[in-house]
Amino acid sequence: AQTVTQSQPEMSVQEAETVTLSCTYDTSENNYYLFWYKQPPSRQMILVIRQEAYKQQNATENRFSVNFQKAAKSFSLKISDSQLGDTAMYFCAFMKHDNSGTYKYIFGTGTRLKVLA
Amino acid sequence: DAGVIQSPRHEVTEMGQEVTLRCKPISGHDYLFWYRQTMMRGLELLIYFNNNVPIDDSGMPEDRFSAKMPNASFSTLKIQPSEPRDSAVYFCASSTTSRWTGRYSGYTFGSGTRLTVV
Repeated sequence: AQTVTQSQPEMSVQEAETVTLSCTYDTSENNYYLFWYKQPPSRQMILVIRQEAYKQQNATENRFSVNFQKAAKSFSLKISDSQLGDTAMYFCAFMKHDNSGTYKYIFGTGTRLKVLA
Repeated sequence: DAGVIQSPRHEVTEMGQEVTLRCKPISGHDYLFWYRQTMMRGLELLIYFNNNVPIDDSGMPEDRFSAKMPNASFSTLKIQPSEPRDSAVYFCASSTTSRWTGRYSGYTFGSGTRLTVV
């Protein structure tokens, strides 16, 4: 069975600095997706970034980028130039991708990030 | 698109009452998911549908919970009778795979319903 581990329950970063959130996963699958979701105090779950396992290039979305290490089963999220609005809970999620039609996410337990002014 | 729409945003009910949560997925999305979020258990998948058909309901806690998707644009999650331990935030999410690119969209979540059972 797949598992997703976020080992940092809480983190803080100064505004404008860079922070990296870690995520590791365990799977025997070769084709899968990885996601980072942000949940601010408003509780809305917002997709931050996604990575297809077959792609070697790390995904980037503006100030957000990932370091995807497939062999190490690691998927960390880097937030550059942190802003106060980045304060949120961040969830890492795994989804296997095959022809069985199973599209269930496996979520990590989350990392609470606080950006300090 | 207005995104995934859930209602109500907040629901407070008395133990034993029936509660119905509603969800309108993004038009064209063929997968719909119901999740429950609590501090103790995190995000739990309750049930998901593909093309309006329930695929996996193994996460539904017990018979008090039921979910339906009568058409592609509407789903309900019902709890009858409700209990205080059902208090949580309930999320609906939808997703699809593009016919053109084959790329999976990822979940788009609704804003959730905070249910409090007193």
